[in-house]
Amino acid sequence: GAVVSQHPSRVICKSGTSVKIECRSLDFQATTMFWYRQFPKQSLMLMATSNEGSKATYEQGVEKDKFLINHASLTLSTLTVTSAHPEDSSFYICSATEGGRNYGYTFGSGTRLTVV
Amino acid sequence: GIQVEQSPPDLILQEGANSTLRCNFSDSVNNLQWFHQNPWGQLINLFYIPSGTKQNGRLSATTVATERYSLLYISSSQTTDSGVYFCAVSTGANSKLTFGKGITLSVRP
Repeated sequence: GAVVSQHPSRVICKSGTSVKIECRSLDFQATTMFWYRQFPKQSLMLMATSNEGSKATYEQGVEKDKFLINHASLTLSTLTVTSAHPEDSSFYICSATEGGRNYGYTFGSGTRLTVV
Repeated sequence: GIQVEQSPPDLILQEGANSTLRCNFSDSVNNLQWFHQNPWGQLINLFYIPSGTKQNGRLSATTVATERYSLLYISSSQTTDSGVYFCAVSTGANSKLTFGKGITLSVRP
């Protein structure tokens, strides 16, 4: 089945620094990947849709200059949290779909970001 | 956008009991998935079920697309079934998944 790998699984960074999170589709090509954020005891909220070879589409209220998304290949999308602040601490998770196959979307294992 | 409502929000079961989790959605969908989020945050895909009925071991799911709801059945629950169960839907090919708020299940030994 489809596998999505996400790294790192956990990161602690200092306020003001930037953090990059990688999302890879291991055994399929994904023209579209999605980035979600989840705060404690809440549901997943879509941040942006990452499209290979073009600009990402951000959801309303998500700062595109703060959350930089790059989808440079059919198997890799990256999310960079720039100038991180403690309020950016959250669980970030990516997903992708192989499209034609009937099993829906596969999710990475998530990245727990703590900004101190 | 589409609305997804899950019920009940919380569920406490004794080990061995059966349960039914419900997901209502406000528009036609081309994708509906049930996920189990484990304590480490990993989303485990339980079912891809935009319509019809599927079974996998002690779990089964039914989606009645015309009436815009889906049910997840857990039989003979085990403590390892504890966690949060999410229903998520999308309305077009390669379009975003919209999640419900989740159902927190606690199975007590």
